[in-house]
Amino acid sequence: DQQVKQNSPSLSVQEGRISILNCDYTNSMFDYFLWYKKYPAEGPTFLISISSIKDKNEDGRFTVFLNKSAKHLSLHIVPSQPGDSAVYFCAASSLNAGNNRKLIWGLGTSLAVNP
Amino acid sequence: NAGVTQTPKFRILKIGQSMTLQCAQDMNHNYMYWYRQDPGMGLKLIYYSVGAGITDKGEVPNGYNVSRSTTEDFPLRLELAAPSQTSVYFCASRRDSSYNSPLHFGNGTRLTVT
Repeated sequence: DQQVKQNSPSLSVQEGRISILNCDYTNSMFDYFLWYKKYPAEGPTFLISISSIKDKNEDGRFTVFLNKSAKHLSLHIVPSQPGDSAVYFCAASSLNAGNNRKLIWGLGTSLAVNP
Repeated sequence: NAGVTQTPKFRILKIGQSMTLQCAQDMNHNYMYWYRQDPGMGLKLIYYSVGAGITDKGEVPNGYNVSRSTTEDFPLRLELAAPSQTSVYFCASRRDSSYNSPLHFGNGTRLTVT
């Protein structure tokens, strides 16, 4: 039962163009969403996040859009650069019964930005 | 500032052997986590700790044990290793449990059990 789904295992984009990575979720209790980036042989690093009370958050070249009614979020990278080539994980957060934050991860999308 | 440090980077175990994966953080974070990532899969939470002396099970705790005697260290113990425990293990920490406190990950330990 995959509560956080990244339906595209991979994406290839030309340098300078826009990369759009998508994420769908099923649990309406999720109230915070995060994107992490992972290079080979390294741990994931936090990229950008969005609260469920917002529909957009922007940080430099990275923008995350949230559509709560569709239970969908997307990460836009503009312009894409070769150094953006990595695996991108979507994660969703909610409070569990013990008042601790529970984080559910998607399977990741491998982005290749071609020079 | 090293962040989260995991050792070893790689390890091969025979079935039935035991080992401890080490994790240390120097950010004075109270919350620490152990995840495993199997090929083509997302991260699964094994155990977590909200402070020294306090640990709790995650989604996939069977076959593992943890301890948290200090704020800095959060070792993961595998007893009687099995092939199903072949995976990449990530340790992570965060300042607190607030929603805007992101996880900081180590670079992982790649474990193979044969």
